[in-house]
Order: sequence, then structure tokens, then C-alpha cells
Amino acid sequence: LAKTTQPISMDSYEGQEVNITCSHNNIATNDYITWYQQFPSQGPRFIIQGYKTKVTNEVASLFIPADRKSSTLSLPRVSLSDTAVYYCLVGVLDRGSARQLTFGSGTQLTVLP
Amino acid sequence: GAVVSQHPSRVICKSGTSVKIECRSLDFQATTMFWYRQFPKQSLMLMATSNEGSKATYEQGVEKDKFLINHASLTLSTLTVTSAHPEDSSFYICSAALRQGDYEQYFGPGTRLTVT
Repeated sequence: LAKTTQPISMDSYEGQEVNITCSHNNIATNDYITWYQQFPSQGPRFIIQGYKTKVTNEVASLFIPADRKSSTLSLPRVSLSDTAVYYCLVGVLDRGSARQLTFGSGTQLTVLP
Repeated sequence: GAVVSQHPSRVICKSGTSVKIECRSLDFQATTMFWYRQFPKQSLMLMATSNEGSKATYEQGVEKDKFLINHASLTLSTLTVTSAHPEDSSFYICSAALRQGDYEQYFGPGTRLTVT
């Protein structure tokens, strides 16, 4: 299983860009990198997914270096409503495989006014 | 698209009783569904993987006779907590994958179980 390491918590202010880095040193060739956001008492919500280089969507960007041993989630101009726990997952969903996706400890992002 | 629902959202039951939680994929067919448990201020822990028409695969340490999983159709998986005890009180979350090899799972809103 590809384990992930993230900072336990981060604080930011409204309007700032926030970068959360995740380490995954033993990522496998077929593994994808996925980030989720979770609010209290809700299920995780998909943010972004990537395999290599850079991926951007309407809410975030994901930067993955060539060695793929880490990834950085970038949230532009955060607001108070972005306060949540952010999880980085590495792996692949495959019915025939024993590999499972394991949630790490996540990063509690607190956006301050 | 890709909406997953859970029912009930909250349930309180007495110790020794059984509780069934439903997980439905509303607008897609899910070949694989996952069940997670999350204790307060902790991360999600995978309990089992459920494939339509076959037996669920349980993670190490999860009692298959206590947490019964049925994935009878491509849109419905159920988790039954049998003979519930207060230590089973937790937030149970399901997720669904669209197809084999799909790298994205869609999560339900979760079910808060409280055993008194």
C-alpha cells in the first residue's frame, strides 16, 4: 500500500493561496493521486485527481513532480468555507487487485478572517 | 452526476439490536462499493470492499459476521451492524466506483450511528 504523509494542520487567511503537500515515496507505476475535502459529519468530496505534471480544474490545481513521490494541492484565494480536512490518496481501484486506497491522517485547513 | 445516497442519515439504537444502512448510487451503476468507518477526529478507515454479486472483502480486523454486507444490485449495497454495542457508535460512509479500473470513488453523505 502506498502510504501518504501530510501536515496535520495548516492555518491561512482569506484570499491567500494555500498549498498542501503530500508525500508518497512508494507510489506504484499504476497509482493515481486523488485529493478529497471533508467537512464535519459529511462524506468526502472529490477535489482533483492526477497522474503526473499538473492538473487544474475550477477549484484547485495539483502539481506532481517527475518522480511522483509527492504532490501539492493548491487552493487559490481561499475563503472561510474552505475550512475542512483535506485528504491525499494514492492508489488504484481495481476489482481484481488486493490494493486498496488508504486514507491518511489528512490536513486540517483552517481559514481565518 | 455520480451521486451516492445513504439512508438513514442518523440512527440511534439500543445495545444488542441490529441496524441496516443502505448505500445507493442514484445515477450510475456501481460495480464496486466501499464501506468506511470514521471515529471523531480520526481519518476514514476502510472496512470492506463490496462487488456486485459476490462476497465482500473485509479488511483485517473487521468482523464479517458482525458487519454484514450485501451488494445485491449495481445500485445498492447494505451494511448491517449486528448485535450493536456502544463501541460500534461511529460515522459510517459508503462510496461507489463507476467501473472496474475507475480511479475515482464517489462518497455518500454518511450515517451517524449511536448505540445506547
